[in-house]
Amino acid sequence: GQNIDQPTEMTATEGAIVQINCTYQTSGFNGLFWYQQHAGEAPTFLSYNVLDGLEEKGRFSSFLSRSKGYSYLLLKELQMKDSASYLCAPLDSNYQLIWGAGTKLIIKP
Amino acid sequence: GAVVSQHPSRVICKSGTSVKIECRSLDFQATTMFWYRQFPKKSLMLMATSNEGSKATYEQGVEKDKFLINHASLTLSTLTVTSAHPEDSSFYICSASAGTSESEQYFGPGTRLTVT
Repeated sequence: GQNIDQPTEMTATEGAIVQINCTYQTSGFNGLFWYQQHAGEAPTFLSYNVLDGLEEKGRFSSFLSRSKGYSYLLLKELQMKDSASYLCAPLDSNYQLIWGAGTKLIIKP
Repeated sequence: GAVVSQHPSRVICKSGTSVKIECRSLDFQATTMFWYRQFPKKSLMLMATSNEGSKATYEQGVEKDKFLINHASLTLSTLTVTSAHPEDSSFYICSASAGTSESEQYFGPGTRLTVT
């Protein structure tokens, strides 16, 4: 079957760094997306990884290891507005996004 | 960046009535549009995938006669919830993609449907 595993909730301090891990099992693999979703809003795109390694984009970086079925999203210099849910979504062999419930990130002052 | 709009953003309707939700890609041509629903604190659930000019492909368990999807042009798709019931109350989100299958999906802002 297809499965996404992320922590349900994480708490971090403003200005700090946090890493959100994601392990996945899919039927085939065509890359992995990370999305940010604020409460009551639709998801917004953060990153896409298709090759192993780290992709850096400003304060956000995303890492992928295809052999381990593992990805993480790294957020640096945390700001209060980063409080949101972070969704790890791999693309399966049919190019369909597989969604988990996401990780709710709480930022404290 | 690519912008996708949805209308209405919120709708309240009575049980038994039908509701139409529009999804528009404003600055690009969307070869594929996706319709999701999301319950509170739950993951997005793909309902159907539609390509312009062809019938939508529904996911298992989604009633095609209840959730009518029309993708009449490269910039517009509509979802009609027919004979709505309170259990249809949910957050409905569309997304649009241009180009290849692995292209990024651009999400609309979502529509909050409440059926009384």
